[in-house]
Amino acid sequence: IAGITQAPTSQILAAGRRMTLRCTQDMRHNAMYWYRQDLGLGLRLIHYSNTAGTTGKGEVPDGYSVSRANTDDFPLTLASAVPSQTSVYFCASSEQGGTEAFFGQGTRLTVV
Amino acid sequence: AQSVTQLGSHVSVSEGALVLLRCNYSSSVPPYLFWYVQYPNQGLQLLLKYTTGATLVKGINGFEAEFKKSETSFHLTKPSAHMSDAAEYFCAVTLYSGGGADGLTFGKGTHLIIQP
Repeated sequence: IAGITQAPTSQILAAGRRMTLRCTQDMRHNAMYWYRQDLGLGLRLIHYSNTAGTTGKGEVPDGYSVSRANTDDFPLTLASAVPSQTSVYFCASSEQGGTEAFFGQGTRLTVV
Repeated sequence: AQSVTQLGSHVSVSEGALVLLRCNYSSSVPPYLFWYVQYPNQGLQLLLKYTTGATLVKGINGFEAEFKKSETSFHLTKPSAHMSDAAEYFCAVTLYSGGGADGLTFGKGTHLIIQP
C-alpha cells in the first residue's frame, strides 16, 4: 500500500541522547515535511525539503536536523534530546510545494 | 506570511444536527486551503481542498466548505452529524509558489464532540 512509513511508532528517550526518526515515502513525491503536534498548538513545521538534496527550516527548527539524500527518505535527528521535545512527530509529503500533504501515522516521543 | 485561526477549540453538537467548524485565514496572495481530520492515535487525512475555481468544495464523509474571499473564511460544514464524525479537525493554508515548499500552516485544531 502506497504511503508514508514512520519508525518507530513510539519511543521513550533519556535527555541528552541522540535520536533519529525515520520517514520513508513510496509515492515519489518531491516535497517532504516534518511537523510536531502539541496539545493546543496544532501542527508546527520543523523542517522541509523541496526535492532531494535540499532542505529548509520551518517554524520550530531549533534542536533538530534533517537530510534528504534521496527522494524517498527524510530522517529527522535530535542531536541531544530535551524534555521540551516530547511530542508527536508527523512526517508528510506532497507532489510539490503548495499541494495537499499526505501524512504518516506519527511517532510519539517522550523525553525524560 | 500566512496564518490560520480556528474559532473554538471544542465544538459539541447533537447527532443529526448541523456541524459548523470555523476557519479564517490571512494571506498576502490567493491561498490554497485545506481541511484535515485526525482520529485518535492516527495521522491526518485530507477532507477537502480549495485551490482555484468553484468556491464551494465537497469532500469525503459528506463534508463541504466554502471559500469566501471577502470574509477570508473557509468554514467546514456537514448537514447531519454522525457519531463517527467525532475527531480533531484542522484547517490549513499554503501559498502555491510553483515548486517552493514551505509546507502547510495549520490552525490549532477544533475537537468535534458528537452528543448522542
